[in-house]
Amino acid sequence: DGGITQSPKYLFRKEGQNVTLSCEQNLNHDAMYWYRQDPGQGLRLIYYSQIVNDFQKGDIAEGYSVSREKKESFPLTVTSAQKNPTAFYLCASSISGEGAGELFFGEGSRLTVL
Amino acid sequence: ELKVEQNPLFLSMQEGKNYTIYCNYSTTSDRLYWYRQDPGKSLESLFVLLSNGAVKQEGRLMASLDTKARLSTLHITAAVHDLSATYFCAANAGGTSYGKLTFGQGTILTVHP
Repeated sequence: DGGITQSPKYLFRKEGQNVTLSCEQNLNHDAMYWYRQDPGQGLRLIYYSQIVNDFQKGDIAEGYSVSREKKESFPLTVTSAQKNPTAFYLCASSISGEGAGELFFGEGSRLTVL
Repeated sequence: ELKVEQNPLFLSMQEGKNYTIYCNYSTTSDRLYWYRQDPGKSLESLFVLLSNGAVKQEGRLMASLDTKARLSTLHITAAVHDLSATYFCAANAGGTSYGKLTFGQGTILTVHP
């Protein structure tokens, strides 16, 4: 079955550590996205990529980094520069072009900073 | 900057009743999306509204879009407990940013007997 796989589901990090969240899709989608969700709030866009080897900052990119070396994969690194990283992180993908807005989401990764 | 606002943010309904969730957006957007999120889970796409006057229905949920008023509604008919979830609307700025969505804050819907 096609879908998006995120790992790990739960992650604990000490302050000052970088962590990388994995996102893999087998939907053959060109575009991939990372969103952050805080309790009781909507989603905010961190980074997005519309094609391999290219990505753009979203609304809250500071303290995060991404790479897009393969179409299927879009890992997110939460760096120590991110001041408040505890959140629920959602990866999504879509077709590119005019149909791009319907996003298909992974199950999410819940990051807690100790 | 595109802003998306939903109301109400909290909705407690009795089973069998009808209600509407409203989604306003601040700048021109040619498409509107509705998603559902169960507690602790990811988001699931419900509706994609692509043009002014678009109406889509799935079971007890019906969504509509009025681009002139910059308003979308999600109408719930004869609510049942299974509809309890958080509902998000999202809009995009169009152009090359089709995939860049701005989400509303979400409406937490609780349906009780």
